[in-house]
Amino acid sequence: DGGITQSPKYLFRKEGQNVTLSCEQNLNHDAMYWYRQDPGQGLRLIYYSQIVNDFQKGDIAEGYSVSREKKESFPLTVTSAQKNPTAFYLCASSVRRSTDTQYFGPGTRLTVL
Amino acid sequence: GENVEQHPSTLSVQEGDSAVIKCTYSDSASNYFPWYKQELGKRPQLIIDIRSNVGEKKDQRIAVTLNKTAKHFSLHITETQPEDSAVYFCAASMYSGGGADGLTFGKGTHLIIQP
Repeated sequence: DGGITQSPKYLFRKEGQNVTLSCEQNLNHDAMYWYRQDPGQGLRLIYYSQIVNDFQKGDIAEGYSVSREKKESFPLTVTSAQKNPTAFYLCASSVRRSTDTQYFGPGTRLTVL
Repeated sequence: GENVEQHPSTLSVQEGDSAVIKCTYSDSASNYFPWYKQELGKRPQLIIDIRSNVGEKKDQRIAVTLNKTAKHFSLHITETQPEDSAVYFCAASMYSGGGADGLTFGKGTHLIIQP
């Protein structure tokens, strides 16, 4: 999992702003995922991508957008339409399928001021 | 969609005793069940996983059992140590040939090892 990096570690956003969270992997994995974690909760799937230039909505995609222009990169944008964005955001990757081992990045903690 | 329930939410055991965490899932087509350990503020780390063609899997002090008929699976930690204190998450996924579609997680169990 050391091959997945996320930046920044902490991010502060004012209401009405869009912010973009970075996720990069050098594991040569095809599949990448974004999860959101709230205190005392499990992880919930926001978006996933099986291959470059393709991505699908997860369970809680409203207010978020992604792109997958390169195999190594899967940035997540939290838009102003996301009503409660304060959370811990985790990016993950796997070789090809969700039934392959998913490796997580260190996470970005987003706080709305 | 898939729903995963995890119990208990908090588990306190004496050092050296065993700990058991249980999960149930709703989609009988799910066929992959990983367990993750997460320390405070850190990323989840895979500790063990099991696939639907296997009923039990062990790795040193950790074991996972799967009952497909009842749609539940459990994590067993024996001879618990202080470093086992963390939050543990179960998850489920299904591979249908369509590729990746993410994991569905339980809400986690906070395991506390009492010295």
